[in-house]
Amino acid sequence: GNSVTQMEGPVTLSEEAFLTINCTYTATGYPSLFWYVQYPGEGLQLLLKATKADDKGSNKGFEATYRKETTSFHLEKGSVQVSDSAVYFCALLAGETSGSRLTFGEGTQLTVNP
Amino acid sequence: DAGVIQSPRHEVTEMGQEVTLRCKPISGHDYLFWYRQTMMRGLELLIYFNNNVPIDDSGMPEDRFSAKMPNASFSTLKIQPSEPRDSAVYFCASSSSVRAYEKLFFGSGTQLSVL
Repeated sequence: GNSVTQMEGPVTLSEEAFLTINCTYTATGYPSLFWYVQYPGEGLQLLLKATKADDKGSNKGFEATYRKETTSFHLEKGSVQVSDSAVYFCALLAGETSGSRLTFGEGTQLTVNP
Repeated sequence: DAGVIQSPRHEVTEMGQEVTLRCKPISGHDYLFWYRQTMMRGLELLIYFNNNVPIDDSGMPEDRFSAKMPNASFSTLKIQPSEPRDSAVYFCASSSSVRAYEKLFFGSGTQLSVL
């Protein structure tokens, strides 16, 4: 079956530090990959996505590259801000039909200190 | 647009009581999803609707859970009777009909505590 594994948290960084949150997946076929972010007290929001191998998704300074050879989609940001403190979820969508469902990772809590 | 609106934000109830969670999706969205989030199990899809019709309810834990969507602008998730293990954050999400899962819009969730 499909599964997503994220690095265990929580992750605590100082402002302007470099961020990497690891994500690896198992899926049949060629899934689409996503990062969602959940700010405190809010629902999840789509952060970025990549739909085929070697695609790079980017948004708000965050980037992730779809690596088929390593089945990974690691999230990176060069310089984090306090406002980036949130829970980050990696997810995959396998299959083209609307009946397919998103498979989420466990989430990684990020705290950025000033 | 106001986004996906859920109510209540917080619900505290006693074991055995009926609980009803409410959701108003974004206008024009054809898909509505109910998710449950817990520390132990993460984010789980409970059920989703397309054009007000339940399509996949395989994630609904048991018969105590039921969901309805009487019209395009309203859905409910009911738990009767509630149990302490139902304590979780329940999210509603909606999406347009084009590749529904590619961009979900989530509400702020209902924090349910069953004592």
